[in-house]
Parts: sequence; structure tokens; C-alpha cells
Amino acid sequence: DIQMTQSPSSLSASVGDRVTITCRASQSVRSYLNWYQQKPGKAPKLLIYAVSTLQSGVPSRFSGTGSGTDFTLTISSLQPEDLATYYCQQSNSVPYTFGQGTKLESK
Amino acid sequence: EVQLVESGGGLVQPGGSLRLSCVGSGFRFSSYWMTWVRQAPGKGLEWVAYIKEDGSEKYYVDSVKGRFTISRDNAKSSLYLQMNSLRAGDTASYYCARVVSGAIFGDNLDVWGQGTTVTVSS
Repeated sequence: DIQMTQSPSSLSASVGDRVTITCRASQSVRSYLNWYQQKPGKAPKLLIYAVSTLQSGVPSRFSGTGSGTDFTLTISSLQPEDLATYYCQQSNSVPYTFGQGTKLESK
Repeated sequence: EVQLVESGGGLVQPGGSLRLSCVGSGFRFSSYWMTWVRQAPGKGLEWVAYIKEDGSEKYYVDSVKGRFTISRDNAKSSLYLQMNSLRAGDTASYYCARVVSGAIFGDNLDVWGQGTTVTVSS
């Protein structure tokens, strides 16, 4: 199975900050890398698929880059509604494993 | 409105069984792969099982192989997860999700249900 490792596990930031979350795969997942946002008590929401394609309705302050084994999710200017936990997920091979999550908190 | 609604969760003793259901609406259910994802309390997401549009292909995470069975009834726009020989480690919220598949973009989970909670305890 492909292991997905996110860093950091938690992050404190202020409104307006630029925030970057990284995700590393134990082997290449090519460009089959998705990002999800989950708020407490809610289902996850698809943010970005195929590394860098924003899901419909997702604000443009979110962006994704990377290929192969190393990926990043960036929020260009953090907004209060962005405080959540973020997960990367590979869909290169079954099982479609998730990272352990990065909890984004208010500083 | 595109929607998925899960049901069937509850409290079950170790070794017991439970069947989860997920009903889709607002889209052509039979045109999509579907998946179950779970989340133990306070933990991250774990992909559990995955079924092709017509039910002809199914995949499972190793930890549930031989105990869980994913199935679907396209006439009822419904997805199921039969869970047998349940263990404490299966305690989680279980989400069904729609899979958007593509050779170029890969698979992603674009619509999620609200989740149903399974608690395995004596």
C-alpha cells in the first residue's frame, strides 16, 4: 500500500497568512493526488483533484502543486472559514490511502 | 440537488453484524463507482471499499477483507456495506461517497454523505 505522510500535523496561523501543507507519498502516485477539507462534525469536502485542479466552487486562494511523490496545498491568504483539517489522498492505486491530516488552527 | 444519505449505524457487540445503506439522489447513480470511507473517533480518514458502476469489480482495504462486503442496487440508487465479525477497531463514522473516475485526472470523491456512526462495544 502507498503511505501518505502530511506535514505538519497541526498548524497555527492568522487570518491573512499564507499557509502551506505538504504531502509525501511512499512511492510515485503520478498526478493522482487529491485534497479534502473537513470541518468538525462534517463530512469531508473535495477541494482539489489531480494535484492542482480546483473543484467547482472552491475559492481561488487554494492551490495545489507537485508531482510524483511530493505535493503541496497552499492557501494564499487564510480566511476564518478555512480553519479545518486537510487531508491528501492518492488515487494511483488501490487502496486509495489518505494522509493523516493537518489541523489548521487559529493563532 | 446531488445528495447521499447513509443509514444503518448503531451499537453492536464484538463479533456482531451490521448493514449500512446509502441512498443517492439528484444524479444517475448507476453511472458512478461508489466508495465507503470511515473515520474513527478523533482520527483520520480511511478508505474502506470501492465498487464499480455495475457491481462487477470490488476492492477492499486489507483490514476488512473477508469481513465486509460492498454491494449496490442501481434500481434503488443504493449502496450497501455488510459488516460481519465486527471488532472494536471498526468503531467509526462511515461515509459513502461518489467517485468521479478519469484516466487523466484519476479518481476523486466529489460528493459525500453525512455519515453514519458504528460503535462496536460490549
